[in-house]
Amino acid sequence: AQKITQTQPGMFVQEKEAVTLDCTYDTSDPSYGLFWYKQPSSGEMIFLIYQGSYDQQNATEGRYSLNFQKARKSANLVISASQLGDSAMYFCAMRDSGYSTLTFGKGTMLLVSP
Amino acid sequence: KAGVTQTPRYLIKTRGQQVTLSCSPISGHRSVSWYQQTPGQGLQFLFEYFSETQRNKGNFPGRFSGRQFSNSRSEMNVSTLELGDSALYLCASSATGVINSPLHFGNGTRLTVT
Repeated sequence: AQKITQTQPGMFVQEKEAVTLDCTYDTSDPSYGLFWYKQPSSGEMIFLIYQGSYDQQNATEGRYSLNFQKARKSANLVISASQLGDSAMYFCAMRDSGYSTLTFGKGTMLLVSP
Repeated sequence: KAGVTQTPRYLIKTRGQQVTLSCSPISGHRSVSWYQQTPGQGLQFLFEYFSETQRNKGNFPGRFSGRQFSNSRSEMNVSTLELGDSALYLCASSATGVINSPLHFGNGTRLTVT
């Protein structure tokens, strides 16, 4: 069974600094996809970035990048130059080839201070 | 392109009642998934529909049911409501549901059972 672990319940960062949110996963399937979502207090889940298990390079989307270490089964989200609007819950999720659903971690609350 | 639309945004019901939640996916998306989000359990998968057929089902009692119409719109029904059903219910659509296809979420329906 697939499993996602986010060990940081909360993280604090100052504006303009970079922050790394941790995510480890477990699956026996060699083919899988990893996703990060942001959930502001409004409740909507916003898709941020995707990394496929066979992708050779780490995914990047603007200020978001994914530090993918396949052997360690980790897929950490790096947010560069944090902004106040980045304050939100962040969820790591995975889908493997045996499922079409996403399994989510418990999330990390990020607070960005001025 | 319009996003995923969920109605209503808020609902207050009494124990024992039933409720129906509605979800309109992004145009062209054939997969619709439903998730329950609570502070204690996090995001839990309810079910997924693809082309009017339930393709996956989570570990929820039979009181939770859903369906998808020919226009891909989906409804979720919860019968005999319990206090523990109070949660944010999120609907998400994707184009195909394959590994690299992200879920796009609506704003959710916040259900309160009293």
